[in-house]
Amino acid sequence: EVQLVESGGGLVQPGGSLRLSCAASGFTFSSYWMNWVRQAPGKGLEWVANINPDGSGKNFVDSVKGRFSISRENDKHSMYLQMNSLRAEDTAVYYCTRAGGNYLVYWGQGTLVTVSS
Amino acid sequence: QSVLTQPPSVSAAPGQKVTISCSGSSSNIGANSVSWYQQLPGTAPKLLIYDMDKRPSGIPDRFSGSKSATSATLGITGLQTGDEADYYCGAWDNSLSAYVFGPGTKVTVL
Repeated sequence: EVQLVESGGGLVQPGGSLRLSCAASGFTFSSYWMNWVRQAPGKGLEWVANINPDGSGKNFVDSVKGRFSISRENDKHSMYLQMNSLRAEDTAVYYCTRAGGNYLVYWGQGTLVTVSS
Repeated sequence: QSVLTQPPSVSAAPGQKVTISCSGSSSNIGANSVSWYQQLPGTAPKLLIYDMDKRPSGIPDRFSGSKSATSATLGITGLQTGDEADYYCGAWDNSLSAYVFGPGTKVTVL
C-alpha cells in the first residue's frame, strides 16, 4: 500500500524558515517524480514544486522561486521542501504527492504551515 | 486567477447527471493530458480521472472524462449524496513549466 506521510509543519513568523519532510513507502521511491501541492485555508489547490527521480530536475511555481527549495534522499525514501523567507500568503496545508505521468496519483494527508506573528 | 477556468458550482438532484467544464489553452490542456481530482470535505484530494478519460482502480464508471482542443469535461452520472465535494482539473503547462489547477467546482446534490 502506498503511503505518503508529511511532517514538519507548524507556526512560524514572517521571514522565518521551515523544512517539510515527506516519508514514502509502498512503492519504488527512486523511480517517480514527486511533488508538493498546497491549499490555503478555504482556497483551491496550488502546485508548488516537483523533483525528478534522481533529484537533478526541479520546477517551482513563480511565487516561491528563490525562496523554496526541493530535495530528496532516495535511500531514505524521503522528499523535502525547504521554505525560507516565509510570508503570510504561504499559510496552507502542504501535500506530498507522487506523480504518474502528467498526473498526481497519490496524496498524503498534509501538514499545516501557518505564517503569522 | 487560475490558468484553467471552471464554474464555481454545479448542482443536481440525486440520480441526475452533472458536467463540469475546464477551459485552458494550447500550452496546457491543448498540449498535455488532463486530470481530475475529487476533494471530499475535510480530506486530501484524490485522483479521479487521468489521461483525460482513464479511471484509477476503485473509481466507479459513473465518473467520466473527455477533452476537446483546449477544454476538458468531467461527467458524473447517477449523482449520489456522497459525490458532494470539490472537483479540480489539472494539467502540465509547457509555457510555465508548472502544473496548473483549475479553481475548483463545488458539486451540490439537491
